[in-house]
Amino acid sequence: DIQMTQSPSTLSASVGDRVTITCRASQSISVWLAWYQQKPGKAPKLLIYKASTLQSGVPSRFSGSGSGTEFTLTISSLQPDDFATYYCQQYNEQRSNSYSTFGGGTKVDIK
Amino acid sequence: QVQLQESGPGLVKPSQTLSLTCTVSGDSVSSIGHYWTWIRQYPGKGLEWIGYIYYSGSTHYNPSLRSRITVSVDTSENQFSLELSSVTAADTAVYYCARGTRQWLGEYFDYWGQGLLVTVSS
Repeated sequence: DIQMTQSPSTLSASVGDRVTITCRASQSISVWLAWYQQKPGKAPKLLIYKASTLQSGVPSRFSGSGSGTEFTLTISSLQPDDFATYYCQQYNEQRSNSYSTFGGGTKVDIK
Repeated sequence: QVQLQESGPGLVKPSQTLSLTCTVSGDSVSSIGHYWTWIRQYPGKGLEWIGYIYYSGSTHYNPSLRSRITVSVDTSENQFSLELSSVTAADTAVYYCARGTRQWLGEYFDYWGQGLLVTVSS
């Protein structure tokens, strides 16, 4: 299976900060990567798919980039509603025995 | 507005079978291009893809769980279900159902249920 490694695991930031989260895949996944935001007690919410396509209704301060094995999620100006945990997910299921996998998560908390 | 809702017991005894149902509204489980998926999240926060079913009845399961899983669909009720047999404490998790939208050979998950905590304990 494809391993997804996120860094950092925790990030302390202030409102207005520019925040960048990195996700690395153990092998190339082209652009088949999604990003999710999760708040305590809630289901993950899709933010970005195909590495850089913003899901409908998601604020434009969120952006994604990358291809191959390295990807980033950027929040251009952190808002109070953005303090949450973020996960990446690869969905490059090229082989019959392959399947979707998630990163370990990055918690963004208040500095 | 697409909505998914998990239902089932919150407590299952070791060695028994965990059975959950996901009721879908605002979309049809027969819709083309959507893969009806189960995902779980361990108490320590890790997310694990369990498996999906397509309206045609085709399934795809996590190889680590394949011997214990059955995912089925009931188009008349617009529901899909998960059965996980021979459960142990390691299966304690929040179970989510989700709609997978196909891109090329995989899916991202654009709608999720609220999640159901299932505890395996005697």
